Amino acid sequence: NAGVTQTPKFQVLKTGQSMTLQCAQDMNHNSMYWYRQDPGMGLRLIYYSASEGTTDKGEVPNGYNVSRLNKREFSLRLESAAPSQTSVYFCASSITSGGTTDTQYFGPGTRLTVL
Amino acid sequence: DAKTTQPPSMDCAEGRAANLPCNHSTISGNEYVYWYRQIHSQGPQYIIHGLKNNETNEMASLIITEDRKSSTLILPHATLRDTAVYYCIVRVNLNNDMRFGAGTRLTVKP
Repeated sequence: NAGVTQTPKFQVLKTGQSMTLQCAQDMNHNSMYWYRQDPGMGLRLIYYSASEGTTDKGEVPNGYNVSRLNKREFSLRLESAAPSQTSVYFCASSITSGGTTDTQYFGPGTRLTVL
Repeated sequence: DAKTTQPPSMDCAEGRAANLPCNHSTISGNEYVYWYRQIHSQGPQYIIHGLKNNETNEMASLIITEDRKSSTLILPHATLRDTAVYYCIVRVNLNNDMRFGAGTRLTVKP
């Protein structure tokens, strides 16, 4: 099992460009998440998908859109990148959402720089 | 929503136990305490979680006080590979929203 995979690993964008970050999991998990981590800070939730076909906003959703393509894949799109979106982006998955004992498993991250 | 307070940094000698404290004085009765760690900008890694009883697994032990207002993560025999940022998290809501704070940067020294 590869667990949670993310592509690309690194990306540099110019202000105003768009891009999509890809995430896939092979653990048959129902729920998937996108976080961002700014230097020296903890992770903040951008969007999550409790199950296939549903998505919900997290703590910092502005400037992002998501698509739960199928049970395995959850993508994050920046329509018009801004320097404030320079960050490391982590995708995670868990078996279910809504349970108090659910554990999230994280991917290796995508390091995005917006110039 | 319960918040957590952790010391920003701690040191530990290799081979000794590392005891990482966490305060969560506003925790509610149905909220669990989770611990994750992040090694050098990798994705966070789950360590352990608990509700009110002490828990142990192959990685660590979790001690939760009787009033549940604080907890301690114990790494029984710290190694250099345990150097990481450790996050104590209390589950915010039933939608699995994990609120990560700044964590404790543990440095294990030879």
